Amino acid sequence: ILNVEQSPQSLHVQEGDSTNFTCSFPSSNFYALHWYRWETAKSPEALFVMTLNGDEKKKGRISATLNTKEGYSYLYIKGSQPEDSATYLCALTGAGSYQLTFGKGTKLSVIP
Amino acid sequence: DSGVTQTPKHLITATGQRVTLRCSPRSGDLSVYWYQQSLDQGLQFLIQYYNGEERAKGNILERFSAQQFPDLHSELNLSSLELGDSALYFCASSADTGTDTQYFGPGTRLTVL
Repeated sequence: ILNVEQSPQSLHVQEGDSTNFTCSFPSSNFYALHWYRWETAKSPEALFVMTLNGDEKKKGRISATLNTKEGYSYLYIKGSQPEDSATYLCALTGAGSYQLTFGKGTKLSVIP
Repeated sequence: DSGVTQTPKHLITATGQRVTLRCSPRSGDLSVYWYQQSLDQGLQFLIQYYNGEERAKGNILERFSAQQFPDLHSELNLSSLELGDSALYFCASSADTGTDTQYFGPGTRLTVL
């Protein structure tokens, strides 16, 4: 069973602040790492899929990095806005399987 | 809008009953996945179908079953419902491989009374 940990569990930041959170996973059996953004009453929205050690992906003010050797990924949000308030989920695909194993998420609240 | 549709949006039923949740994947996607989100639990993988065939099973109870039809839509059948089955059930679809993005539908909220 793959164990995906996310920290912190929740985070409150002021509008304009930059922030980051962590996703940790077992470095063995890694295949792909997915980040999702989940707003209340909506469905998870895909942000990034990363597969290679050292991968960096960017989408607007949001970026992510991946370290498969040590088993972690960081998600960064630059200049947080109230509309960034959501739960950010990371999910792992292990070698030989296609299903996602999700962490419990980091709930971000951006205070205007 | 992810392109994945799920019906119904909400379902309220009683213990012991049986319900069917329906999912239509994005156009062109062959894989369908079912996930369950219970209170205080992360999203849990239940089952995956690829082009009509079961491909992988997760923590799916024996009371639950699924299938994928020739038109690629999928149904998740939940029977002998218990209070603990109350949850948000998501369907996701992807093209095929483990590196493909899985696109999530809006979910079906099941309440068992």
